[in-house]
Amino acid sequence: DAMVIQNPRYQVTQFGKPVTLSCSQTLNHNVMYWYQQKSSQAPKLLFHYYDKDFNNEADTPDNFQSRRPNTSFCFLDIRSPGLGDAAMYLCATSQGVITGEQYFGPGTRLTVT
Amino acid sequence: AQSVTQPDIHITVSEGASLELRCNYSYGATPYLFWYVQSPGQGLQLLLKYFSGDTLVQGIKGFEAEFKRSQSSFNLRKPSVHWSDAAEYFCAVGDSTGFQKLVFGTGTRLLVSP
Repeated sequence: DAMVIQNPRYQVTQFGKPVTLSCSQTLNHNVMYWYQQKSSQAPKLLFHYYDKDFNNEADTPDNFQSRRPNTSFCFLDIRSPGLGDAAMYLCATSQGVITGEQYFGPGTRLTVT
Repeated sequence: AQSVTQPDIHITVSEGASLELRCNYSYGATPYLFWYVQSPGQGLQLLLKYFSGDTLVQGIKGFEAEFKRSQSSFNLRKPSVHWSDAAEYFCAVGDSTGFQKLVFGTGTRLLVSP
């Protein structure tokens, strides 16, 4: 089945220690998104790639970076995680047309100690 | 900018009873509206979507939603709730600039009592 895969499902990192979260997709969608979802809150868009074009949301902290080496993979890098970055990180993809719905991965739960 | 309000943080429904979850949106143009469901520790699954046409849309798992432009609402309904429906439900609005950038509501947690 075509799907969106996130690894790892659970990640524990130390305060200030860089961490990378991974997302891959078999849907061949041209748009990939990263959302941050804190406990009991709505998912909040951090940034997205439209093909190779990177689009950062205005309020996304500089601490968060992303890479998309090819169509299938997208990475979220947190350069110096703080306690406030503990959250569920959701990857999603879409076909990039007006009616293109987003397909979400299962998420990576990040804990910062 | 678009926004979504889900006025109910928690709702408890008896198994077999009907369900309605409220969603109000704010968007200047024709909205693209979605309902997603999230089980604990899981990603989001699309239940249904509205782009245009018939204002009553059918989704998966027996859910439906009705778009009412005059009320800026897109309420989710199910005639008979099952215990497995207990989850968090998010309403979202997408813009029409060429691809879907979603703005989510804060969610409604559905509890199902025996």
